[in-house]
Amino acid sequence: GQNIDQPTEMTATEGAIVQINCTYQTSGFNGLFWYQQHAGEAPTFLSYNVLDGLEEKGRFSSFLSRSKGYSYLLLKELQMKDSASYLCAVLGDYKLSFGAGTTVTVRA
Amino acid sequence: DTGVSQDPRHKITKRGQNVTFRCDPISEHNRLYWYRQTLGQGPEFLTYFQNEAQLEKSRLLSDRFSAERPKGSFSTLEIQRTEQGDSAMYLCASSPSGAPYNEQFFGPGTRLTVL
Repeated sequence: GQNIDQPTEMTATEGAIVQINCTYQTSGFNGLFWYQQHAGEAPTFLSYNVLDGLEEKGRFSSFLSRSKGYSYLLLKELQMKDSASYLCAVLGDYKLSFGAGTTVTVRA
Repeated sequence: DTGVSQDPRHKITKRGQNVTFRCDPISEHNRLYWYRQTLGQGPEFLTYFQNEAQLEKSRLLSDRFSAERPKGSFSTLEIQRTEQGDSAMYLCASSPSGAPYNEQFFGPGTRLTVL
């Protein structure tokens, strides 16, 4: 079975940094994805980690520790448009198993 | 636009009616997935096609649900005798095979409301 946990909500100020944690226990692992989803829209790809360590992509970074079953997404220099749900998803053989998502609210 | 497209974007139906949704994947992608997402939850896997072959169906997909991908291109998802619990966003995604990792590209979804 799949068990993927992430916080329900986070609030931060424009320009600040927010870290969204994700822990997982899954029967198969071929990588961990982070997706961004604005209300009423489809998820859009942010990052992918399959090896331990940090992947940096502009204002967004993602970290993975396979031994701990742990990942985080780091959002820097927050902008109002970053207000969205952030989904942690583990790739098994071919299908994604998602967490419930973390709603991030950016305040001015 | 060469992304994943879905039709319709919104569907309102009465309980007991049948509905059918269509997904057109990115043209060179031979893998196609259907997910269902309810409010406040992440997407849940429903079924997966490689070309025209349906390789897995989730136990979430009751016998009222059927999906096809007849020519390995577009796919349809049909729900028969809809129930209020079927109200959700139905997402389609596609990915290429043979990639170092299988990033799945999502369509805009079809939002189903069953009255």
